[in-house]
Amino acid sequence: GNSVTQMEGPVTLSEEAFLTINCTYTATGYPSLFWYVQYPGEGLQLLLKATKADDKGSNKGFEATYRKETTSFHLEKGSVQVSDSAVYFCALTEGANAGKSTFGDGTTLTVKP
Amino acid sequence: GAVVSQHPSWVICKSGTSVKIECRSLDFQATTMFWYRQFPKQSLMLMATSNEGSKATYEQGVEKDKFLINHASLTLSTLTVTSAHPEDSSFYICSASRDGNQPQHFGDGTRLSIL
Repeated sequence: GNSVTQMEGPVTLSEEAFLTINCTYTATGYPSLFWYVQYPGEGLQLLLKATKADDKGSNKGFEATYRKETTSFHLEKGSVQVSDSAVYFCALTEGANAGKSTFGDGTTLTVKP
Repeated sequence: GAVVSQHPSWVICKSGTSVKIECRSLDFQATTMFWYRQFPKQSLMLMATSNEGSKATYEQGVEKDKFLINHASLTLSTLTVTSAHPEDSSFYICSASRDGNQPQHFGDGTRLSIL
């Protein structure tokens, strides 16, 4: 079956530091890949997505590139802010039921001023 | 953008009570809605997939008599936790999709605490 493996957290960075959160996946076909962000006490918000190999998703300074050869979708941001502190989930959807997602375990990011 | 509203956002009740959680898609019609459960500091666990007008499909290990799901309209799905006990305390999140092939949009979640 499908699976998503995320870099273990928590991750603590200083403001303006570079962020990378690793994500690799296993899927039988050609999945779409997503990053979601969850702020404390809230649901998930879609951060970015990529639907095919070599696509780059980007939003709010975050980027991730769909790498089929390494089955990866690492999240990066060049300069993090305190407001980026949240839990980040990598996810994939595949096949006829593309709305049904497989999630990674989440990575907690804390950015200190 | 697509908005999904979940209500209530927080509920505290006594053991043995049944609790209903609503999930509404406010600006689009959702053929498919998903219900997730999230334990502290853990990922989302899919409980069931609900399609409008038909019975929900439950994931393995989820008791369908315990977690009743109704998706009676294209904008509303409900999850009822029947005879809730402390071990049912969790964060429940719904999501809605225009159809099974479209990305899902998440509600803000419901924190359920059973005393």
